[in-house]
Amino acid sequence: DQQVKQNSPSLSVQEGRISILNCDYTNSMFDYFLWYKKYPAEGPTFLISISSIKDKNEDGRFTVFLNKSAKHLSLHIVPSQPGDSAVYFCAASSRWGGATNKLIFGTGTLLAVQP
Amino acid sequence: GAGVSQSPSNKVTEKGKDVELRCDPISGHTALYWYRQSLGQGLEFLIYFQGNSAPDKSGLPSDRFSAERTGGSVSTLTIQRTQQEDSAVYLCASSLEGYSQYFGEGSWLTVV
Repeated sequence: DQQVKQNSPSLSVQEGRISILNCDYTNSMFDYFLWYKKYPAEGPTFLISISSIKDKNEDGRFTVFLNKSAKHLSLHIVPSQPGDSAVYFCAASSRWGGATNKLIFGTGTLLAVQP
Repeated sequence: GAGVSQSPSNKVTEKGKDVELRCDPISGHTALYWYRQSLGQGLEFLIYFQGNSAPDKSGLPSDRFSAERTGGSVSTLTIQRTQQEDSAVYLCASSLEGYSQYFGEGSWLTVV
């Protein structure tokens, strides 16, 4: 049972345009969501997170939006740069009530930013 | 070092042999996690340590897998009698309780 889904395995965007990566989840107990970026042969790098008490979190060119009613979140990158080309993983966890904070990951979306 | 350190970075082993993978978390981080990523798959949770609490082992795929964390710092993941399906990159992460996890570069395991 895939609790976190990234339905687009790949995305290609022109440099300077907006990249939108999507993620859906099924478990209503998730209350903390994260995006990680991964380059080949490297570990995932934390990018941005959002708590379920918010619907938007912004950090520079990166913004994460959370729609709890739809169990959907998205990562916007504006403007996209060639160095953003990587695999992006969405992850979710339950942080409270003694939960172990383990992250449940999606299968990733490969973003290619074309110069 | 400043980040999560894992060793070895690459390991090729024969089927049936035991392997040990090591993780040094970020200093001061109380939580430590092991994940693995098989070819073409997402990251799969294996085990979680938090302070002196009993570890959450719910992600370990079989009893051939075990992990320990000594002194609340360094952790070792042990795979006994390795099988070809164990081939994957094994990733360690650490965090302060309730905060974002930071990953090491992984240990690439190939079972031949």
